[in-house]
Amino acid sequence: DAGITQSPRYKITETGRQVTLMCHQTWSHSYMFWYRQDLGHGLRLIYYSAAADITDKGEVPDGYVVSRSKTENFPLTLESATRSQTSVYFCASSWTSPPILDTQYFGPGTRLTVL
Amino acid sequence: TQLLEQSPQFLSIQEGENLTVYCNSSSVFSSLQWYRQEPGEGPVLLVTVVTGGEVKKLKRLTFQFGDARKDSSLHITAAQPGDTGLYLCAGVDGGSQGNLIFGKGTKLSVKP
Repeated sequence: DAGITQSPRYKITETGRQVTLMCHQTWSHSYMFWYRQDLGHGLRLIYYSAAADITDKGEVPDGYVVSRSKTENFPLTLESATRSQTSVYFCASSWTSPPILDTQYFGPGTRLTVL
Repeated sequence: TQLLEQSPQFLSIQEGENLTVYCNSSSVFSSLQWYRQEPGEGPVLLVTVVTGGEVKKLKRLTFQFGDARKDSSLHITAAQPGDTGLYLCAGVDGGSQGNLIFGKGTKLSVKP
């Protein structure tokens, strides 16, 4: 199906483990984004990518690693998960990026719990 | 860092009532977007406002961008249970990255 998908939808892991969250979009959008959503903080940008092999830090990048070898995929890796990384993670994509305002299309989210 | 404050944080009303939610900042934004997010899903764009004083209507939803481009409001007329969700405003970060900054949202519950 066309669109933006995330996997897994739910993940429980333990402190110190490596976890990779997957994001795949079928529109060939240039830009892709990772956000985390927490009570009391709203949506915060972790990393974004303007094209394959181009990534940059957002507001809260510490403890996360991203890569983008193909336009359609943008995995997010927690190298050594911590309890503070328990959150709901959203991937998004768009043709362009602000300030040339464009619609960002969000995936359904991955709920990650770190024990 | 630019911040967007949304109010109220929570709102519970009966079907048929009108309501207004607010998005305020001390900074000027070049444009603002409003999203609605339903439980278990990602946010979905409702509207983008660009010009100070701009008013946009989407069926029973009316969006306004303040003249000074520091605030915005969303007014819903005759709310329906299907309007239930989290309403988020987002503005373009005027800093070097130019990414979206989101408010914390208004959680709306419309009871039948």
